[in-house]
Order: sequence, then C-alpha cells, then structure tokens
Amino acid sequence: DAGVIQSPRHEVTEMGQEVTLRCKPISGHDYLFWYRQTMMRGLELLIYFNNNVPIDDSGMPEDRFSAKMPNASFSTLKIQPSEPRDSAVYFCASSDSVENSPLHFGNGTRLTVT
Amino acid sequence: AQSVAQPEDQVNVAEGNPLTVKCTYSVSGNPYLFWYVQYPNRGLQFLLKYITGDNLVKGSYGFEAEFNKSQTSFHLKKPSALVSDSALYFCAVRRPRGSTLGRLYFGRGTQLTVWP
Repeated sequence: DAGVIQSPRHEVTEMGQEVTLRCKPISGHDYLFWYRQTMMRGLELLIYFNNNVPIDDSGMPEDRFSAKMPNASFSTLKIQPSEPRDSAVYFCASSDSVENSPLHFGNGTRLTVT
Repeated sequence: AQSVAQPEDQVNVAEGNPLTVKCTYSVSGNPYLFWYVQYPNRGLQFLLKYITGDNLVKGSYGFEAEFNKSQTSFHLKKPSALVSDSALYFCAVRRPRGSTLGRLYFGRGTQLTVWP
C-alpha cells in the first residue's frame, strides 16, 4: 500500500495566486481529512469527508478556501486568492469507517505564499 | 467542549532513561485515545491507541501508554529512550459516537529530545 499521497510536496506562490493541493487517500478508506499545521496554531482540522460528502467544514478559514472530493480516490484543497498568512503545511489523512481506526497521514504540502 | 492538553511543549531526556510525555483530555463519554509521532518533514504516524480493556497499551517502537480514567489522562511512556525517538508527539482523542464521529481532536504536540 502506497499510503496517502499528496502533491505537490512544496509550493511557493505569490500572493493573489490560486493554489491547488491534491490528495489520494488509501484505497478502501471512506473518511478523508484536511489539516493545516503551523507553529502558532498547531494542527487544525479544516474539513473532512465521508464517502465523498463533506461532513464538517467548520474549520475552513474563509471563503477563499474550498475543498472537493469528486470520487473516492481524489480530493483537492484550493485557495483562491492566496495570502501570506496561508503559509503552512497542509496534511491530508484518511481512515476506514471503523470508529476506533487511526488516521493515516500523507507527508504534507509545504505552502509558502510570498 | 472537547479538548486535549499536552502540558509540556518540550521534554528532554538522556538516552537510556525512561521517558514520559503527558496528555490529559476532556471529552464526554468514553473516547478513543491515540498517540502519533511526527518526524521532520513527514506526516503524523500512528503509534498506539486505547479502546477499552487493559489500561496499559503497547504500541510501535517500544512505546506504551497508560490510560487513567479518573485522571482523564493518557500518558505516553518508554522504559529506555533512544536518540532516534527524538520527534514531535501528538495525543489525540476521538469520540465514539455522535455527530462528530470521525473528528479527531489533537493536542498541541510535545517535542521530545533524547540526548546521547
């Protein structure tokens, strides 16, 4: 199993540009999570999906952020327009539906907005 | 409110000594408890979990954790630390039922440094 795959690993962009982060969850997992990690705020849950349906997006900072899961094997997190304060490491994680199952994390996308 | 507290931002121990990384939680019901480890430039890796039963849970890399319901704590332990254990450790809690099924609450993390 290749694990959770995120791309790109690093993204550097200028303020105002659109950024798209991608995630491929582990096959068979029906929960997918997007987290953001910063020194100041630690790990923040942005949004999570169950069976491709968004369940809780209360952590999405503002309308500039959007996430989609068009099918069971792919999700995107988009920021438009990006701002310097969006600089962080963004993690995708997946798990199966057994309620005590652990999350499996990708290696993250380090986003730098200049 | 659901929360997880890791009272120490940093823990420093000498190689070969026992280590403890503390975690307390305030989640209603009987939650599931997890420990994760994060190495530099990597995602979080699952170490161990508590579901029910024996209060001492054994996990990967020789780590174990002790669940204490009365103190609502789930401290991570290892009898003999290795330099390679140096990493960032996260405690996490997941409610067993309810509308937030699936949601995992993380602590702020504790940086463990094991010096030779």
